[in-house]
Amino acid sequence: DAGVIQSPRHEVTEMGQEVTLRCKPISGHNSLFWYRQTMMRGLELLIYFNNNVPIDDSGMPEDRFSAKMPNASFSTLKIQPSEPRDSAVYFCASSLSEGTDTQYFGPGTRLTVL
Amino acid sequence: QKEVEQNSGPLSVPEGAIASLNCTYSDRGSQSFFWYRQYSGKSPELIMSIYSNGDKEDGRFTAQLNKASQYVSLLIRDSQPSDSATYLCAVNRGSGTYKYIFGTGTRLKVLA
Repeated sequence: DAGVIQSPRHEVTEMGQEVTLRCKPISGHNSLFWYRQTMMRGLELLIYFNNNVPIDDSGMPEDRFSAKMPNASFSTLKIQPSEPRDSAVYFCASSLSEGTDTQYFGPGTRLTVL
Repeated sequence: QKEVEQNSGPLSVPEGAIASLNCTYSDRGSQSFFWYRQYSGKSPELIMSIYSNGDKEDGRFTAQLNKASQYVSLLIRDSQPSDSATYLCAVNRGSGTYKYIFGTGTRLKVLA
């Protein structure tokens, strides 16, 4: 069974450009999480969805960040406009929403904003 | 005070020794506790979860939880160089939320 899939794996862009990160959760998982990891701040939860509905977006740093989950098998995290301080590794994770709360992480997208 | 605190390390132990990793948390209502291992450049992977006070053993790993002291630890017996990684402690507040709070991690180095 395929794990969580993220694309792209690496993204280099210039300040002011729009960036879209993509995630496909594990089939059958109902909860999806977006995290950002930096050396300084560690792993921070940005937003999570349950059954495609955003439940908690309190970690989204500002209006430049937005996330969508149009169906159970796809989610996007968009940054517009991007800034150098957005440079980080962005992870997507998924879990079964009932019976277990183990989260399975994707390989991550390393974003560099110049 | 951070919600989940870990010593950043590095913690260096010789091969074959016991590595002890510690984590404290601030929210007394926390219900679930997890240890993730993250190799450099890779994603976190779950190695242990614990929900009740006491010890939970899985192979060479033992998780220990003390809710009264708001403390969770991970012991790795017979440490191997392949255990060298960053270990992240995560805490779930429970009550129907799946929001984990992660510590910044402890870097473990097992010396051959």
